[in-house]
Amino acid sequence: TAGITQAPTSQILAAGRSMTLRCTQDMRHNAMYWYRQDLGLGLRLIHYSNTAGTTGKGEVPDGYSVSRANTDDFPLTLASAVPSQTSVYFCASSGSSWDTQYFGPGTRLTVL
Amino acid sequence: GQNIDQPTEMTATEGAIVQINCTYQTSGFNGLFWYQQHAGEAPTFLSYNVLDGLEEKGRFSSFLSRSKGYSYLLLKELQMKDSASYLCAVRDSNYQLIWGAGTKLIIKP
Repeated sequence: TAGITQAPTSQILAAGRSMTLRCTQDMRHNAMYWYRQDLGLGLRLIHYSNTAGTTGKGEVPDGYSVSRANTDDFPLTLASAVPSQTSVYFCASSGSSWDTQYFGPGTRLTVL
Repeated sequence: GQNIDQPTEMTATEGAIVQINCTYQTSGFNGLFWYQQHAGEAPTFLSYNVLDGLEEKGRFSSFLSRSKGYSYLLLKELQMKDSASYLCAVRDSNYQLIWGAGTKLIIKP
C-alpha cells in the first residue's frame, strides 16, 4: 500500500509564478490536510477537508487554495508565489477528523 | 491564544531513559498526540492520550494530566535510531491539531 504520495519532492519556483502541489492517498480516508513546516515553528494547518466536496481554512490559508473533487486527491495551489511561502509542505489524511493523521513524505518548496 | 511548549533540544546517552515534556493551553481538549520525525522525513505517529494516565507501547510511554495541561513522552533503552525530533500536538475543540515546535533529541554513544 502506497499510503500518501506527494509530488513533486522538491521545487524551486520564481516569485509570482503559480504552482500546484499534488497529494494522493489510497487509504479511502475521508479527511485530508495541508500543513507547512518552518524551522523553529510547529506544523501549521493551511487548509483541510473533512470529506470529498468540502474544504475549510486552517491557521494560515492566505495565498493558498485547495479543492477536493474526490476522496483520493487533495491538491494545494499557490496562485502567485511569494518568498515567504518557502517551506516544507506536508499532506496528511485520517479516517475522520477524530482519527490519527498520517503524513505524506513532503514537498520542499523554495520561492526565489 | 493556543500554545504548546516543548524543550527545543535534549541530549541523552544510548541505553539510558529520557523524558520529553509538553505543556499546553488550548481552546478545548480532544486528545494529545506524539509524533516522531527524523530529519528530512515525515512525522510518524507514536502515541495518543485522551484520558489521564500512562499509555505504554514497547520502549515508549506517554503520560497525560489534563488538569495540569501536561504530557510527557518517556523513551527507555535509548537507541541511536531514536535520534529525531518529537512533536507534541493537541486536538482542540474544532478537532484541529495544534502543534508544538518539536524537541530535537540527540543520542550520544
